[in-house]
Amino acid sequence: KNQVEQSPQSLIILEGKNCTLQCNYTVSPFSNLRWYKQDTGRGPVSLTIMTFSENTKSNGRYTATLDADTKQSSLHITASQLSDSASYICVVSADTDKLIFGTGTRLQVFP
Amino acid sequence: DTEVTQTPKHLVMGMTNKKSLKCEQHMGHRAMYWYKQKAKKPPELMFVYSYEKLSINESVPSRFSPECPNSSLLNLHLHALQPEDSALYLCASSPVSGDEQFFGPGTRLTVL
Repeated sequence: KNQVEQSPQSLIILEGKNCTLQCNYTVSPFSNLRWYKQDTGRGPVSLTIMTFSENTKSNGRYTATLDADTKQSSLHITASQLSDSASYICVVSADTDKLIFGTGTRLQVFP
Repeated sequence: DTEVTQTPKHLVMGMTNKKSLKCEQHMGHRAMYWYKQKAKKPPELMFVYSYEKLSINESVPSRFSPECPNSSLLNLHLHALQPEDSALYLCASSPVSGDEQFFGPGTRLTVL
């Protein structure tokens, strides 16, 4: 069964600190993996997208990694800001229109 | 124009009402999607249109009726909804089916 699991479910950090979010997937065939940021009540916004051959991709303070052998991905946020408070969703594409969504990590950044 | 727009932002309707949600994109994308998202849950795919033709219907109840009048516009017609249909309805588009999807801001629907 195609599944995407994320950990932790929720995370609280202080402004300026770094954090890492985890994503494990069992999706076959694998096309690509994306990290989205979703503010409450808003649509998801893409942060990074990685294909099988890519193992690191950065977008400003966001760095995503992908290990296709272990089927794991991580999203590292550097020097967190209050505006980083959101849900972060790992989404895996199985080479079709259907995206397999993880349940997300709810990040809260406090001053 | 590089975004997906959705109207209205919020909608409150009774169970006997008929209403429509609208989604628009002017990026030349030929695939468009409707998702339903309940609080603290991931989005669930409802419908996919590819080149203005319905290609996927994820066994959605008939009280939800999608329509794609042209390549830029996607509607979701609502009739006789239930309170459990209250959710955030997201529209997305992609250049073609299977490409990266770009999401709109969503319509927050409340059914009384």
